[in-house]
Amino acid sequence: SQTIHQWPATLVQPVGSPLSLECTVEGTSNPNLYWYRQAAGRGLQLLFYSVGIGQISSEVPQNLSASRPQDRQFILSSKKLLLSDSGFYLCAWSVWGPRLTEAFFGQGTRLTVV
Amino acid sequence: AQKVTQAQTEISVVEKEDVTLDCVYETRDTTYYLFWYKQPPSGELVFLIRRNSFDEQNEISGRYSWNFQKSTSSFNFTITASQVVDSAVYFCALSEDYSGGYQKVTFGTGTKLQVIP
Repeated sequence: SQTIHQWPATLVQPVGSPLSLECTVEGTSNPNLYWYRQAAGRGLQLLFYSVGIGQISSEVPQNLSASRPQDRQFILSSKKLLLSDSGFYLCAWSVWGPRLTEAFFGQGTRLTVV
Repeated sequence: AQKVTQAQTEISVVEKEDVTLDCVYETRDTTYYLFWYKQPPSGELVFLIRRNSFDEQNEISGRYSWNFQKSTSSFNFTITASQVVDSAVYFCALSEDYSGGYQKVTFGTGTKLQVIP
């Protein structure tokens, strides 16, 4: 069966520090991968998506970046965090095909920038 | 561009009451998919239902039912005889077929449902 792992679960980082959140998927190949952010009291905002290794598309300009070094690995990074980067970050995957499936989400990382 | 609107930010109901969560979407495509997800206090999103744009049959699953109206671009979600465990944030989402193996999923801002015992 397919599973998605996302870590860490919680993170407190000072302003200006770097960030690296990792997401891996098991049990499927060539998934579409997504990073979403949910700010306090707000909905889910798509940050990045990837249809393959090294292929990253950004939805919202910001100081975050994403990379996909392997087929089932998706990393969200920042060189210098801002207070406004605080939020709940969710990694997700989905599979393209005739039987379109839903997006499967990781358990999320709650990031607090102080 | 696709858009999902959930106008209800928060809803409070007393246990055993019925409640309907509204979802209105915008898309230029004729082929698309609609979803509902539940986000309990633990944070992770739980998939509830998927409908494609060619299937307007309403669906019932236990206490949950969904009303898909293409004419009004709505995909509303009703919980019958609500329970405290239904308290969560509920997200409506829209996914469009893109060429190249990519589906872009757009979420609404969510409706927070509180069921009071």
